[in-house]
Amino acid sequence: AQTVTQSQPEMSVQEAETVTLSCTYDTSESDYYLFWYKQPPSRQMILVIRQEAYKQQNATENRFSVNFQKAAKSFSLKISDSQLGDAAMYFCAYRSGNNAGNMLTFGGGTRLMVKP
Amino acid sequence: DAGVTQSPTHLIKTRGQQVTLRCSPISGHKSVSWYQQVLGQGPQFIFQYYEKEERGRGNFPDRFSARQFPNYSSELNVNALLLGDSALYLCASSQTGRLPGANVLTFGAGSRLTVL
Repeated sequence: AQTVTQSQPEMSVQEAETVTLSCTYDTSESDYYLFWYKQPPSRQMILVIRQEAYKQQNATENRFSVNFQKAAKSFSLKISDSQLGDAAMYFCAYRSGNNAGNMLTFGGGTRLMVKP
Repeated sequence: DAGVTQSPTHLIKTRGQQVTLRCSPISGHKSVSWYQQVLGQGPQFIFQYYEKEERGRGNFPDRFSARQFPNYSSELNVNALLLGDSALYLCASSQTGRLPGANVLTFGAGSRLTVL
């Protein structure tokens, strides 16, 4: 079974600064997908960024980028120019690529606080 | 376009009772998944339904059941409620297939269940 670990329960960043959230995972599969989801107090999980394991290039979405290290099974999220609206819970998630459905395995989350 | 809608948003039940939670997927999405998120933890996969058939089941007891209707909406039922069933229940929908963006989950805002 796959596991996802987020070792930082809480992180804090100054507005306009950069912060990196860590995620490691354990799998024996070679084909899979990785995701970062944001969950603000409104509770709705919002997709931030996704990475296909077969792609070597790190995914980027505006201020959000990932550092995907497949051999190390590491998938960190970098948020540049942090904004107050970035404050939320962030969850790293894994999905198998073997067409086994839409089961996501989530990490325990990191609470990000943004200081004005 | 409406997103994934869930009802009710909040509900309180007592131990031993039964509850039904409802989910309407995004128009055009034929797959619906259910997740349980206990306070302070990441979501855990309960079920996936596609074309009215169960396509995946997480490690939950038989007290949990679900179904999908011809219009692709879904219900999650939990019988004989326990205190430990108190959680946020999230529904997610997705397209399926091999196109980019397929199988990416879009979540609803959840139903908060409190069992007393």
